[in-house]
Amino acid sequence: EDQVTQSPEALRLQEGESSSLNCSYTVSGLRGLFWYRQDPGKGPEFLFTLYSAGEEKEKERLKATLTKKESFLHITAPKPEDSATYLCAVHSLYRDDKIIFGKGTRLHILP
Amino acid sequence: KAGVTQTPRYLIKTRGQQVTLSCSPISGHRSVSWYQQTPGQGLQFLFEYFSETQRNKGNFPGRFSGRQFSNSRSEMNVSTLELGDSALYLCASSFSGGLAQETQYFGPGTRLLVL
Repeated sequence: EDQVTQSPEALRLQEGESSSLNCSYTVSGLRGLFWYRQDPGKGPEFLFTLYSAGEEKEKERLKATLTKKESFLHITAPKPEDSATYLCAVHSLYRDDKIIFGKGTRLHILP
Repeated sequence: KAGVTQTPRYLIKTRGQQVTLSCSPISGHRSVSWYQQTPGQGLQFLFEYFSETQRNKGNFPGRFSGRQFSNSRSEMNVSTLELGDSALYLCASSFSGGLAQETQYFGPGTRLLVL
């Protein structure tokens, strides 16, 4: 069964303390992997799409990487405004055309 | 450019009632997807509409239905509400659909509470 697991569930970091969030997936065939950021009371905000193993994308302090089994969202020197829930989702090539989301990682950056 | 709008933002209903939620996509976007978000299950895909046709459907009971109008606006209906239907319902739009090929833009959601 297609599945997406994110870890850790929650993470507290000091401002400037770099870290990585993990998204492990099992799908019949990966069509795309997405990262979103969600602030409380708001809808998810698109960050990245990755399509194949080895691909990397960057945006400000965020960098997403992809292997055949997992994706990492690296956060370099985070600031308090990076605090949010980060969601990972996969689109399976061979499953019905739908997206499966992980439950997210709640990130809190302390000033 | 205006973002995705959803109405109403908050709704309280009782068990057995039905509810209709509305979503207006970004101008020019023809694909609208609906999601249910709960603390226990996270974000779950409900269905996607493109050019007034349901193109994809998630694993939800038939009580959940939707439609799309010629102006791309979409409505979602839940009949015979159950307590477990309490959730944040999110709508997302993209230009032409194709879930992996397009960036989806989410609305702020409608928070539904079923008593």
